[in-house]
Amino acid sequence: EDQVTQSPEALRLQEGESSSLNCSYTVSGLRGLFWYRQDPGKGPEFLFTLYSAGEEKEKERLKATLTKKESFLHITAPKPEDSATYLCAVSRGSTLGRLYFGRGTQLTVWP
Amino acid sequence: DVKVTQSSRYLVKRTGEKVFLECVQDMDHENMFWYRQDPGLGLRLIYFSYDVKMKEKGDIPEGYSVSREKKERFSLILESASTNQTSMYLCASSLGQGDNQPQHFGDGTRLSIL
Repeated sequence: EDQVTQSPEALRLQEGESSSLNCSYTVSGLRGLFWYRQDPGKGPEFLFTLYSAGEEKEKERLKATLTKKESFLHITAPKPEDSATYLCAVSRGSTLGRLYFGRGTQLTVWP
Repeated sequence: DVKVTQSSRYLVKRTGEKVFLECVQDMDHENMFWYRQDPGLGLRLIYFSYDVKMKEKGDIPEGYSVSREKKERFSLILESASTNQTSMYLCASSLGQGDNQPQHFGDGTRLSIL
């Protein structure tokens, strides 16, 4: 049973072309939603945590938002160095710190 | 910054061997996790630990065991390696103290079983 679904699976953007990645979740009792960036051959790198609907976090060209059903990662004027796989994960109560991950969106930004 | 160190970046072993993957974190985190990552399947949780000597099965524990004798170290053991255990293995840690803490990952061990 999928609890976290990311879309699209892959996204190709031209440099400067803004877009959004989606993460929808079905867990009840959400405690937190996490975004990660993963470069090829490396471990995921933590980007943001969102805790409640309406919350937003920003870092450089990335902005993450959260509603009661989904989260968006907005990428403004992306550059080739933003190319990576972006993973979303959620935590729910009483799971001893366990996170539930989506399968990721592979973003390619070409010059 | 949190540092999670996995002992090997690349490892090649033979079928039937007992394989040990080691992970060390330097931030006094309570929780530690082992995942494997395969193309098209995403991250799958093998085992995790929320305290020294404590362990919980994840989604795919078959063929694996773990050991946590010290807080900073979490070992994954492949009891008798098989070719279907060829994968990228990722270790992570998190602070504990509730269920809303991010996990911090090491750079992974790419394991090939021949």
